[in-house]
Amino acid sequence: SQQGEEDPQALSIQEGENATMNCSYKTSINNLQWYRQNSGRGLVHLILIRSNEREKHSGRLRVTLDTSKKSSSLLITASRAADTASYFCATDAKGAQKLVFGQGTRLTINP
Amino acid sequence: KAGVTQTPRYLIKTRGQQVTLSCSPISGHRSVSWYQQTPGQGLQFLFEYFSETQRNKGNFPGRFSGRQFSNSRSEMNVSTLELGDSALYLCASSFLGRDDTDTQYFGPGTRLTVL
Repeated sequence: SQQGEEDPQALSIQEGENATMNCSYKTSINNLQWYRQNSGRGLVHLILIRSNEREKHSGRLRVTLDTSKKSSSLLITASRAADTASYFCATDAKGAQKLVFGQGTRLTINP
Repeated sequence: KAGVTQTPRYLIKTRGQQVTLSCSPISGHRSVSWYQQTPGQGLQFLFEYFSETQRNKGNFPGRFSGRQFSNSRSEMNVSTLELGDSALYLCASSFLGRDDTDTQYFGPGTRLTVL
């Protein structure tokens, strides 16, 4: 079963706009990670946020984590056509010894 | 450093056959994990190997097996293939696998089609 549930399942925006994706999970975690996957290819690690962190930035990416609500969000600012991809959150749950992925958000950036 | 490599990239098999997929981790990485990705089930964890030992296993039937060699390269095997085994199989490596800041680096995947 999936630990992470992502919302929305699909998102289509205009180039230059900001994109926000949300992830909810069920159990206590060590960390939460976000990955990007271009159509049918391998996953690219974007950012990792530890359970004791609330916000993290990397370039145009901003990730927040609310452990009380068991949720995280990924914000991509000033989107570009190259950001078109599927985005997955993955939780490293305490005691689980594996990453558990959500179903992903399919992001389309329209030129 | 070279990234995670997987071979072959594409594979077509028929039901009942068996298949072996290979993964070479990033140099120095000792943990290798395997995932199956399908449109219906998403990304699901198969197993993780660390220093030639299976450290964790997902909820897959015994037809799915793996191993890791002393150079950290890993193989996974699927016997008696079923149509539902058609998927993208992803391998990921990490340095230790259990540090709470350890990042997994994914290979490009092997696309398996079972006819």
